[in-house]
Amino acid sequence: GDQVEQSPSALSLHEGTGSALRCNFTTTMRAVQWFRKNSRGSLINLFYLASGTKENGRLKSAFDSKERYSTLHIRDAQLEDSGTYFCAADDTNAYKVIFGKGTHLHVLP
Amino acid sequence: GGIITQTPKFLIGQEGQKLTLKCQQNFNHDTMYWYRQDSGKGLRLIYYSITENDLQKGDLSEGYDASREKKSSFSLTVTSAQKNEMAVFLCASSIRGRGNTLYFGAGTRLSVL
Repeated sequence: GDQVEQSPSALSLHEGTGSALRCNFTTTMRAVQWFRKNSRGSLINLFYLASGTKENGRLKSAFDSKERYSTLHIRDAQLEDSGTYFCAADDTNAYKVIFGKGTHLHVLP
Repeated sequence: GGIITQTPKFLIGQEGQKLTLKCQQNFNHDTMYWYRQDSGKGLRLIYYSITENDLQKGDLSEGYDASREKKSSFSLTVTSAQKNEMAVFLCASSIRGRGNTLYFGAGTRLSVL
């Protein structure tokens, strides 16, 4: 099975609301990264966490290595937040980063 | 800041053809990666390189060759393109020893006729 399970695969939110994306890991991971695919198709790094939580504007991410999950919370969603979000985990091999399948977020007016 | 440049942006090939994708980074990063993105499958690691002239196989290395000729460049070769194959190939880099924050290029879109 997949080592990184990302959910939901698709999510619709109305402007101003919020929700959370989640990644579960089948093994202990060293760190997690969250990316957003921009309109040009480039992957932009949102967060890198080896533990704990980080916040940047309307985005907040948490990573619990022991419990094997990470979350990305979006609050006060805006239309420009629409896109595909990926989590990626560093496994015990320090150079191997495993991606989730992505969450397609659609923010509705 | 730096940038990762992938060329070409679009690549159309014929079945059985050998195709080469190029990646350049000016971050002075040690580690470079090639990922393949297929719809519904996330990103899968093809090859990575932790320094000049180093090559490490990822999960999807069969059917590909790679070359790290110098620190700033990492090329990927599709050894024999498969008919109707369509995928996006993403190059990334990171600083070794300071976590693996990945920085990505814009991708090369491959279509095989």
